[in-house]
Amino acid sequence: DGGITQSPKYLFRKEGQNVTLSCEQNLNHDAMYWYRQDPGQGLRLIYYSQIVNDFQKGDIAEGYSVSREKKESFPLTVTSAQKNPTAFYLCASSAATGTYQETQYFGPGTRLLVL
Amino acid sequence: AQKVTQAQTEISVVEKEDVTLDCVYETRDTTYYLFWYKQPPSGELVFLIRRNSFDEQNEISGRYSWNFQKSTSSFNFTITASQVVDSAVYFCALSEASGNQFYFGTGTSLTVIP
Repeated sequence: DGGITQSPKYLFRKEGQNVTLSCEQNLNHDAMYWYRQDPGQGLRLIYYSQIVNDFQKGDIAEGYSVSREKKESFPLTVTSAQKNPTAFYLCASSAATGTYQETQYFGPGTRLLVL
Repeated sequence: AQKVTQAQTEISVVEKEDVTLDCVYETRDTTYYLFWYKQPPSGELVFLIRRNSFDEQNEISGRYSWNFQKSTSSFNFTITASQVVDSAVYFCALSEASGNQFYFGTGTSLTVIP
């Protein structure tokens, strides 16, 4: 089955701790994205990557970091600099490189909670 | 300014009623794409439809239909004979050919009461 997987489903972070959210896709998509969703809100773009070893900041990149060493993987690290990390994090991918008009397909999400 | 506006925050209907979810967008591009996604309680966004700006034909897929009107910058979504399984948050999104990101609306939470 082709799709996008995210792990873990729930993640707890202690104060001052960095945590990493996993996102893997086997759709052979070039582009991958990370969004943050707060309760009752829409999606806000954190980072996106259109090709391996390249990524760009989205609207709310501060306090987050990413890497794109493999086409199928786009992990997101929530650093201690992110003061309000509690949210639902969604990873997405799309087929074409450099074109946002391609349909984005989403993973099941990770809920991050601060202890 | 909001690129995509979903003015209806929450809607409740009784099962079998028809319901229309509104989406108004704003863009200066002549080439753009519009999307609808469904987010059930599990959280994953499920892709429903994509339309490009050159295709104003309405589309029907089972109980779902979409009305795209460039004159009013709207891309409304109608569910006919609603069912409890339709309960979810629905997002409208815009992508511009000249830009490099999706713009999501704030979503409409639909509750279908049995």
